[in-house]
Amino acid sequence: DVKVTQSSRYLVKRTGEKVFLECVQDMDHENMFWYRQDPGLGLRLIYFSYDVKMKEKGDIPEGYSVSREKKERFSLILESASTNQTSMYLCATVAGGPRYEQYFGPGTRLTVT
Amino acid sequence: SQQGEEDPQALSIQEGENATMNCSYKTSINNLQWYRQNSGRGLVHLILIRSNEREKHSGRLRVTLDTSKKSSSLLITASRAADTASYFCATDPSGANSKLTFGKGITLSVRP
Repeated sequence: DVKVTQSSRYLVKRTGEKVFLECVQDMDHENMFWYRQDPGLGLRLIYFSYDVKMKEKGDIPEGYSVSREKKERFSLILESASTNQTSMYLCATVAGGPRYEQYFGPGTRLTVT
Repeated sequence: SQQGEEDPQALSIQEGENATMNCSYKTSINNLQWYRQNSGRGLVHLILIRSNEREKHSGRLRVTLDTSKKSSSLLITASRAADTASYFCATDPSGANSKLTFGKGITLSVRP
């Protein structure tokens, strides 16, 4: 079974703080994704990575950056957290191309106060 | 950009009944997928149907795809309280650099 873990289930940060969300997968998948999920808006893609040190912007990259130094780890960075970044953050990974079945982590519910 | 639109937004049924959820999309696709999300958790992949397939089954799940109408339906037969969750369709638009795009989801409540 594919296992995707995220560093925290719940996180509370203050406005202006730098926030790191980490995602680790154990299946040697090349493609990894970060989404945010908000009520009424569904899942929106922030960034994705198709290989180590490779990244591409998704639909809503503003205010975020990512890092992929090792194949199994994909980090999402909020450079200066703002209240409108309060959300559920979901990491996913996929074998093969980015269009196939995605495996999701449990999610991190981030609150920025 | 979101392509899949699920319908209805919420559905409440009695245990044992069938649940039918629909998804419509706008552009041509390579495949369409359905996912389930239990409250406050990550999504779990349920089934993938390719554009050249019309129907697919997995246990109590039946998915149909009508590419001429750009729509899909997910049928859960003999529903159980444990099926209570949000269900999302995700479409893979045709194109070399496409990525899955998710709809906003359907909330299914199954009453015991």
